[in-house]
Amino acid sequence: SYDLTQPPSVSVSPGQTASITCSGDKLGDKFACWYQQKPGQSPVLVIYQDNKRPSGIPERFSGSKSGNTATLTISGTQAMDEADYYCQAWDSSTGVFGTGTKVTVL
Amino acid sequence: DVQLVQSGAEVKKPGATVKISCKVSGYTFTDYYMHWVQQAPGKGLEWMGLVDPEDGVTMYAEKFQGRVTIIADKSTDTSYMELSSLRSEDTAVYYCATIYSKEYDAFDIWGQGTMVTVSS
Repeated sequence: SYDLTQPPSVSVSPGQTASITCSGDKLGDKFACWYQQKPGQSPVLVIYQDNKRPSGIPERFSGSKSGNTATLTISGTQAMDEADYYCQAWDSSTGVFGTGTKVTVL
Repeated sequence: DVQLVQSGAEVKKPGATVKISCKVSGYTFTDYYMHWVQQAPGKGLEWMGLVDPEDGVTMYAEKFQGRVTIIADKSTDTSYMELSSLRSEDTAVYYCATIYSKEYDAFDIWGQGTMVTVSS
């Protein structure tokens, strides 16, 4: 099966930059997207096609990819950005989610 | 407004079957695949499968193959996810989700989730 690996947790101070990685075999050949999920809520799409932001998502959220690693960056992190973040890609028409990263804003 | 509204929480005994609904409003049901995602307590998201409401064709994740059935009822604009032979590990929140903005190729519309508890 296809796996996407993320660090379990990332800590960031308010106003600083948080970076979350997502690694997978041949991810460089696929598009990655990112979801934010707050406790008790449904996930929200924050980045699609590696680096595009859906309408309504703040500019402080950005995405990039290098080789087989995609990265979600939150610039000027705010307390409201504390959440779980998941990457996702498609492998042979099946959806695959990353292992998830808990972002803590200290 | 585009919305996916799911049925309420369920409590089932081990070995039973659960059937969860996801009703669509605000768009043409047959124009978009419906996907289902599992999230066990404190765990990550896991894609379960999809249905094409236009023709009922399905695709399932290997982990759930043989136990999950996803259908689309065009008469009521509702998708259903049925999971059989329930065990404690199936205790989870189940979400329906769709790719409404096709240029995204990502889930931009989600249901509110349905909690399923499997307990004797």
